Amino acid sequence: EDKVVQSPLSLVVHEGDTVTLNCSYEVTNFRSLLWYKQEKKAPTFLFMLTSSGIEKKSGRLSSILDKKELFSILNITATQTGDSAVYLCAVVHFGNEKLTFGTGTRLTIIP
Amino acid sequence: DTGVSQNPRHKITKRGQNVTFRCDPISEHNRLYWYRQTLGQGPEFLTYFQNEAQLEKSRLLSDRFSAERPKGSFSTLEIQRTEQGDSAMYLCASSRGVGLVQYFGPGTRLLVL
Repeated sequence: EDKVVQSPLSLVVHEGDTVTLNCSYEVTNFRSLLWYKQEKKAPTFLFMLTSSGIEKKSGRLSSILDKKELFSILNITATQTGDSAVYLCAVVHFGNEKLTFGTGTRLTIIP
Repeated sequence: DTGVSQNPRHKITKRGQNVTFRCDPISEHNRLYWYRQTLGQGPEFLTYFQNEAQLEKSRLLSDRFSAERPKGSFSTLEIQRTEQGDSAMYLCASSRGVGLVQYFGPGTRLLVL
């Protein structure tokens, strides 16, 4: 059975801290991995990762994929209160392109 | 792109009633997906369309669920004889094609009393 596991399940840090969120996976027909941010509504797209070792960066957020060890990390530096959200990792399957999600990491930033 | 839209945003119904949700994808996105999300969980795949063809249904989609995308544009998801276990957020996503990002709508939150 396909499995995507995120850790930690929740994280509380102070504004300005750096956080690392983890996502490991065991799935069939892996195509790519996506990171989304969800704030009480629909998930919004952050990154798509298809190749190992190539870091994707957007402002204070960055992410990297390791296809040999089957995991990805999402880093957020200099956190702000607006970063408080649930961060979802999802694997895209070849063929139907359906997403298999992890349960998410709930990140809370304390001012 | 105006984004994926879903209606209604909230629905409260009594057990045993039928409900229908609508999803309007981003224009020219030929793939449309339905997911269900319960509290504290990630979204779970229900079904997807390429244009008007429904190509796969999850085993989560019981016989009480039916989805259509009649002209390859908007889609509807109907739940017949709702049960309390159907209470969840129903999310729709669309993509322009294979290998491309799925963009999500705001969801329809269903509460079955």
